[in-house]
Amino acid sequence: QKEVEQNSGPLSVPEGAIASLNCTYSDRGSQSFFWYRQYSGKSPELIMFIYSNGDKEDGRFTAQLNKASQYVSLLIRDSQPSDSATYLCAVKDSSASKIIFGSGTRLSIRP
Amino acid sequence: EADIYQTPRYLVIGTGKKITLECSQTMGHDKMYWYQQDPGMELHLIHYSYGVNSTEKGDLSSESTVSRIRTEHFPLTLESARPSHTSQYLCASSESGAAKNIQYFGAGTRLSVL
Repeated sequence: QKEVEQNSGPLSVPEGAIASLNCTYSDRGSQSFFWYRQYSGKSPELIMFIYSNGDKEDGRFTAQLNKASQYVSLLIRDSQPSDSATYLCAVKDSSASKIIFGSGTRLSIRP
Repeated sequence: EADIYQTPRYLVIGTGKKITLECSQTMGHDKMYWYQQDPGMELHLIHYSYGVNSTEKGDLSSESTVSRIRTEHFPLTLESARPSHTSQYLCASSESGAAKNIQYFGAGTRLSVL
């Protein structure tokens, strides 16, 4: 059973600080990695994807991938109250045309 | 504008009724997916499709069925709804290709079975 593990939280971060979200995965052959944000009662929306080892930056968001350690992280700089949501880590299944989602980390940004 | 649409958004129905949840996408994506998600809980893949006339069962056992007769349309059917089917159902689609596995989600259908 291929798995994606995340700490469920809640993770509480003060406004303006850096939020750090982490994820580990079991499928060593995975090549594609995603972070989705899901507000309560809404659908998941993609915020970052990464395919290569290292860092990928997009605005306030940075995704980090370490394939040797099977570890993906998401950093959110200058956290805003609007960043309060559940963040889902997702990994492309290496042997099937589907994505394996983690159970999500609930992030709360306190003013 | 390319998008993915789900109807109805909300459905309240009695036990034993047959229902079909609709999902259509205008992005020309080959792959489509159905997920089930209870409030505050994780996503569970229940069905997916690689393309026309292809359907696969997902990781969560489901009493629903799907069909893929047209690329843009991927309906989900429950032959006899039960209270245990009460949940949110999310449809998603993605392109084919090695680097094109990003899934785009519809707004979801929130189903209540009384």
